Amino acid sequence: DAGVIQSPRHEVTEMGQEVTLRCKPISGHDYLFWYRQTMMRGLELLIYFNNNVPIDDSGMPEDRFSAKMPNASFSTLKIQPSEPRDSAVYFCASSSRTQRGKLFFGSGTQLSVL
Amino acid sequence: GNSVTQMEGPVTLSEEAFLTINCTYTATGYPSLFWYVQYPGEGLQLLLKATKADDKGSNKGFEATYRKETTSFHLEKGSVQVSDSAVYFCALTPDSSYKLIFGSGTRLLVRP
Repeated sequence: DAGVIQSPRHEVTEMGQEVTLRCKPISGHDYLFWYRQTMMRGLELLIYFNNNVPIDDSGMPEDRFSAKMPNASFSTLKIQPSEPRDSAVYFCASSSRTQRGKLFFGSGTQLSVL
Repeated sequence: GNSVTQMEGPVTLSEEAFLTINCTYTATGYPSLFWYVQYPGEGLQLLLKATKADDKGSNKGFEATYRKETTSFHLEKGSVQVSDSAVYFCALTPDSSYKLIFGSGTRLLVRP
């Protein structure tokens, strides 16, 4: 079992550039979550999907952020345009409907916007 | 609304000391409660869980009891090891929801 796979592991970009983060959930999992972690705000849930459909995107900070899940094995989180305050670690996690609350996290993407 | 409050860290202990990390919650209905652990440079991992009042979750020597009367889910371990140094997060899923809401995390540092 490969676990949740995120790419890239590190991303350094300049303000105004578009950033795309990628996630491959564990095969067979029905739920996919995107979290952001910062020292100031801790772990924030940005959005989560069930069967590829967005269920709750109330945590998405603003229109610059968008997330898609075109199929059960792939999701993206896009920031356009990026700003320095977007610098954070972004985690993707997946879970099964039979194990509510048991999330499997990827290793995260460390994003730095200069 | 639903929220989780944890004691602020860092918590610094000597090896073999007793550990308590406090966690209280606010939720409607009957949430499920969790403790997750994050080691440096990694994602979070589930440590233990409890799904109803008076349930005790336990794993790797850690335990926590779901106390509805005090809305608490404190994490305890009788004898910590250096390898337990990590950040610990208390979390809940609201009744009938798959949304996992985390507390702010508590960093634990165990010295030899």
